[in-house]
Amino acid sequence: DQQVKQNSPSLSVQEGRISILNCDYTNSMFDYFLWYKKYPAEGPTFLISISSIKDKNEDGRFTVFLNKSAKHLSLHIVPSQPGDSAVYFCAASPPMRFGAGTRLTVKP
Amino acid sequence: KAGVTQTPRYLIKTRGQQVTLSCSPISGHRSVSWYQQTPGQGLQFLFEYFSETQRNKGNFPGRFSGRQFSNSRSEMNVSTLELGDSALYLCASSTTVNYGYTFGSGTRLTVV
Repeated sequence: DQQVKQNSPSLSVQEGRISILNCDYTNSMFDYFLWYKKYPAEGPTFLISISSIKDKNEDGRFTVFLNKSAKHLSLHIVPSQPGDSAVYFCAASPPMRFGAGTRLTVKP
Repeated sequence: KAGVTQTPRYLIKTRGQQVTLSCSPISGHRSVSWYQQTPGQGLQFLFEYFSETQRNKGNFPGRFSGRQFSNSRSEMNVSTLELGDSALYLCASSTTVNYGYTFGSGTRLTVV
């Protein structure tokens, strides 16, 4: 059961521009949302999270937005850098469920 | 502090064999979860353990099993391996269920 969906398998942006990664969920009981970043041959690493009582959380170049009514969250990366190229997983809990991931490529 | 350690890093097995993968969580973490990653499928949840008890189980056949020991270390076992079991198996630990996961680097299993 795909309770967390990332409908874009890949995204390519130019260095310096904004990257927007999207995620939808179906379970209205989820109250905590996270983004993880994964490089090849490594495990996912935690990037940023947001509680359902908030609609925005910012950490440096990374901002996560939550729209509970639409069951949608997004991750904005501004400005994008080549080192941001990785697979990004959206997750929601409880229980913890992950999306299929979006491969972000930032071109110099 | 040491991270989540998964052993072995790479494994090649033959169809029909069984395999055991190991995960040592971060010290003090009592929750361990297992995920299977395959191309296009993302992270598929296998099971979660907390204090030696299975708290949650994903939609995988009974060939997939796991356990957690009193020191919080966990193992997962796959019996009668199939080609489709080839994947990266990831373990994550946390202080409590469902939150604050830290992942290991995974075990890459190839079934031939």
